[in-house]
Amino acid sequence: QTVVTQEPSFSVSPGGTVTLTCGLSSGSVSPNYYPSWYQQTPGQAPRTLIHTTNSRPSGVPDRFSGSILGNRAALTITGAQADDEGDYYCVLYVGSGLPMFGGGTKVTVL
Amino acid sequence: QVQLQESGPGLVEPSETLSLSCDVSSYSIGSGYYWDWIRQRPGKGLEWIGSIYGRSGKTSFTPSLKSRIALSLDSPKNQISLKLKSVTAADTAFYYCARRTLAWYFDYWGQGTLVIVSS
Repeated sequence: QTVVTQEPSFSVSPGGTVTLTCGLSSGSVSPNYYPSWYQQTPGQAPRTLIHTTNSRPSGVPDRFSGSILGNRAALTITGAQADDEGDYYCVLYVGSGLPMFGGGTKVTVL
Repeated sequence: QVQLQESGPGLVEPSETLSLSCDVSSYSIGSGYYWDWIRQRPGKGLEWIGSIYGRSGKTSFTPSLKSRIALSLDSPKNQISLKLKSVTAADTAFYYCARRTLAWYFDYWGQGTLVIVSS
């Protein structure tokens, strides 16, 4: 069964840059998997950050950007701020009408 | 602004059926889009559990829950319903409803509701 993989955790300094990635247990991620990214802060519902690889919904700061890096989807936070701390999830369309979440990456800003 | 709000019992006994509703405002659910349910067990990640297409009522479910889950639309109430039967403690989770686009991303989320399975 396909598994969507993410790094368990990352730490970034305030003002720094961090890149989270999202891969597949077998195969490469391409735009055909429609990668999207969500931020969840403690006690809150998820918030959509990026969709269709690199599109930002209105209201999402431009310090969040999406891309494909090698065989993985990527979310880059440029100029990290304290309120960027939280859990970040990617979703891939893995076929057969099924979207699949990655396990999430916990980002700490310190 | 589309808004989604989950509701239902916060406590369900083991082996019973979990029933949740998702009220949608500012968009008619029958006009399109997918209406999905996602859950999050305490301290764990997000898990997609199923969806229903607003125009046709066609459903899709994660394989591990397929035998126990049902989704339905109530267009007059503009509401989506989730039923999960034969629950166990492993079904204890926050349950979120979300609208999903044809480009496979969730653009609106409810605030979520916690369901505890316990006697």
